[in-house]
Amino acid sequence: DIQMTQSPSTLSASVGDRVTITCRASQSISSWLAWYQQKPGKAPNLLIYKASRLESGVPSRFSGSGSGTEFTLTISSLQPDDFATYYCQQYNNYPLTFGGGTKVEIK
Amino acid sequence: EVQLVESGGGLVQPGGSLRLSCAASGFTFSTYGMNWVRQAPGKGLEWVSYISSSSNTIYYADSVKGRFSISRDSAKNSVFLQMNSLRDEDTAMYYCARDGIVLMVLDYWGQGSLVTVSS
Repeated sequence: DIQMTQSPSTLSASVGDRVTITCRASQSISSWLAWYQQKPGKAPNLLIYKASRLESGVPSRFSGSGSGTEFTLTISSLQPDDFATYYCQQYNNYPLTFGGGTKVEIK
Repeated sequence: EVQLVESGGGLVQPGGSLRLSCAASGFTFSTYGMNWVRQAPGKGLEWVSYISSSSNTIYYADSVKGRFSISRDSAKNSVFLQMNSLRDEDTAMYYCARDGIVLMVLDYWGQGSLVTVSS
């Protein structure tokens, strides 16, 4: 199985900050990576797929990059609605696997 | 509008069984694969199972293989998860999620159904 490792596990930031979350795969997954946002008590919401493609309706302050084994999710200017937990997911093969999550907290 | 609504969760004793349902609407159900993903309390996401649009292809996580069974009924626009031999560690919120136009990317999720395994 492909292991996905996210860092940091928790991130404290202020509104307007630029935020970067890293996701590493245990083997190359090309660009087969998605990012999800989850708010407390809610289901996850797809943000980005194929490492850098923004899902329809997702604000342009979100961006993704990377390929192979190292990927990043960047929020260019953190907004109040962005305080949540973020997960990466590889879809190179089954079983689908997720990173452990990064909680973005208010500083 | 795409909607996925799970039901069937509840409290069950270890060793017991439960059947989750997920009713889909707002899209052509018969043309999409479907998944179940779970989340233990305070923990991260764990993919559980996948079924293709035609039911020809099915996958399970090793943690549930041999105990859980996924199925679908296109006449009812529903996907099911039969869970047998339940263990404490199966306690989680169970989400059904649509396999998107980009295969293996989960583009729509239900609100979840809570399964608690406890004596």
